[in-house]
Amino acid sequence: DVKVTQSSRYLVKRTGEKVFLECVQDMDHENMFWYRQDPGLGLRLIYFSYDVKMKEKGDIPEGYSVSREKKERFSLILESASTNQTSMYLCASNENSGANVLTFGAGSRLTVL
Amino acid sequence: EDQVTQSPEALRLQEGESSSLNCSYTVSGLRGLFWYRQDPGKGPEFLFTLYSAGEEKEKERLKATLTKKESFLHITAPKPEDSATYLCAVQGTQGGSEKLVFGKGTKLTVNP
Repeated sequence: DVKVTQSSRYLVKRTGEKVFLECVQDMDHENMFWYRQDPGLGLRLIYFSYDVKMKEKGDIPEGYSVSREKKERFSLILESASTNQTSMYLCASNENSGANVLTFGAGSRLTVL
Repeated sequence: EDQVTQSPEALRLQEGESSSLNCSYTVSGLRGLFWYRQDPGKGPEFLFTLYSAGEEKEKERLKATLTKKESFLHITAPKPEDSATYLCAVQGTQGGSEKLVFGKGTKLTVNP
C-alpha cells in the first residue's frame, strides 16, 4: 500500500524554536507538497517541489522554508515558530503528469505556545 | 486565479436521507476536479477525479457529477459512517499547474 508518512503526529513547541516537519513517500513521486489546514480557511499551499533540490512558493510561504535533498523526502522548516503557526500540517505527493491524484499523509498537528 | 467554493459549509442528514454537496469552480483550463473525504484528525482520502463536463463517477453511496461550472457529490441513503468533511479541488492547465486549489469543505453529519 502506497504511503506518505509524516514522522510526527503531534508536536508542542515554544515561540522562537526551530521546527522541522518531515515527510517521506514511497511511491517514487516527482511532486511533493506542504499544506496547512485551519478551521474556516481550508487547505492552503505553503510550498511544493517538483524535483530534488527544486522548490516553489505556494500561497502562504512566509515564515516557512523547505528542503528536498532526496526524491522521497520533503521537509518543512519553521525557522522561528510563532503562535500563528499553530495548525495542522499536511504533506502530499503525486506524479508529474496529467491530472494526478494527491496522496496525503496523516498530518502533523503543531501547537506553538 | 483558480477558485473553488463549496456549499453548504455543514450539512446534517438523517440516516437514509439523500442529498447533494456543491462545488462551484473557476479555472482557466480544467485538468481535473477532485473529491476527497477527510475524517477528523486524518489526512484527506481520495474519492474521485472528473476530467470533463458530463462525466459521472460512482462509488457505493456516492456519485460525483461535473458541469463546466460546478460539481455535485450526491449521497444516496447515507449511513452514519459517511459522516466526514468532503473536500473539492481543481487542477488547472495554466502556470503552476502542479498545484491543486481546494475548497473549504462541507462537513457532513449523518445521524442514526
